[in-house]
Amino acid sequence: EIVLLQFPVTLSVSPGEGATLSCRASQSVSDNLAWYQQKPGQPPRLLISRASTRASGVPARFSGSGSGTEFTLTISSLQSDDFALYFCQQYNLWPWTFGPGTKVEIK
Amino acid sequence: VVLVESGGGVVQPGRSLRLSCVGSGDSLNQHAVHWVRQAPGKGLQWVAVISYNGRNDFYADSVKGRFSISRDNSKKIVYLQMNSLRSDDTAVYFCGRAWSTDPIDYWGQGTLVTVSS
Repeated sequence: EIVLLQFPVTLSVSPGEGATLSCRASQSVSDNLAWYQQKPGQPPRLLISRASTRASGVPARFSGSGSGTEFTLTISSLQSDDFALYFCQQYNLWPWTFGPGTKVEIK
Repeated sequence: VVLVESGGGVVQPGRSLRLSCVGSGDSLNQHAVHWVRQAPGKGLQWVAVISYNGRNDFYADSVKGRFSISRDNSKKIVYLQMNSLRSDDTAVYFCGRAWSTDPIDYWGQGTLVTVSS
């Protein structure tokens, strides 16, 4: 199965600053990569699909890039609502796999 | 779009449990439906998927042969039959819908399964 690595594990950011989260796949997933946000006690929320396409209702401060094995989620000017866990997920091959997550916390 | 899981609870190792996922309106009938689980304090693990018409399904290796996914579109419900449960199956189980092989765009709130003697 495809293994996804995410780094950093934890990112401490001040409100208003930007954040860059990385996801690396053990083999190419083309652009079949999604990003999810999860807050405690809630299900994940789809942010990005096809590596760079924002889901409906997702603010423009979230952007995704990359293809193949290297992907990035960028959050410009973090808002209080953005402090959460972020997971990447590949849907190029079965079984689908998720990365272990990056926690974005308030600095 | 509202998805509601049910059927979770405490079960002994080796026993069975059936989870249900009900969708509002037509939110399920034209979509693939996935089950994804999350052990307490851990990350997400994809478990299984069933196509919109029920003809195709796939499973994670860790549940293959023990779990079975099915659906009844007339009732707008998807099931996850879990047999031979083990302690490492303990998790919140989420159902989610997706267009074909696209990622999950709507998720339920989850149902907790605890496998313990």
